[in-house]
Amino acid sequence: ELKVEQNPLFLSMQEGKNYTIYCNYSTTSDRLYWYRQDPGKSLESLFVLLSNGAVKQEGRLMASLDTKARLSTLHITAAVHDLSATYFCAVDMGKTSYDKVIFGPGTSLSVIP
Amino acid sequence: DADVTQTPRNRITKTGKRIMLECSQTKGHDRMYWYRQDPGLGLRLIYYSFDVKDINKGEISDGYSVSRQAQAKFSLSLESAIPNQTALYFCATSDFGTSHEQFFGPGTRLTVL
Repeated sequence: ELKVEQNPLFLSMQEGKNYTIYCNYSTTSDRLYWYRQDPGKSLESLFVLLSNGAVKQEGRLMASLDTKARLSTLHITAAVHDLSATYFCAVDMGKTSYDKVIFGPGTSLSVIP
Repeated sequence: DADVTQTPRNRITKTGKRIMLECSQTKGHDRMYWYRQDPGLGLRLIYYSFDVKDINKGEISDGYSVSRQAQAKFSLSLESAIPNQTALYFCATSDFGTSHEQFFGPGTRLTVL
């Protein structure tokens, strides 16, 4: 059974600091997604990572995928308050099943001035 | 207009009532999904459909049923609502043959008293 874990689950950081959110998964997959959710809102797609070694960057966020380690990271550079949200990674079960996506529990990020 | 819409956006109902949540999309995607979100548990897949004739159970389908009335419409029903079905429900769509990135509706907040 595919399990997706995120670390940390809660993160409070100061503006201007850097930090990394980790996403581990338990079975083979080469497709991983990162989503952002603001309080009371829907999920917004941030990054789509489709192969080992994939790296995507958007503003202060950078995501990477290591399929051999079954690990994705979401790196935050020089955090600003607007990045406060919950971040989810999601893993596509791909060829081991239908194309179902399993979500991690989310990392709640709070950026403090 | 939003690409993925859900109705109603909020619903309060009583234990034992039958209710239906509706989802419509204008993205032309063939795949549609229903998730529920509970605090600290991320998103859990209830049902998914890869086309009008293909419907599959997800992780937590007990107590729920679905109907894919057309490519653009996917409804979720609670035959006899119970309080532990109180949650935020999301519909999502994705396109076969591309990245399988999912696009989410705004959500329906359901409260079962």
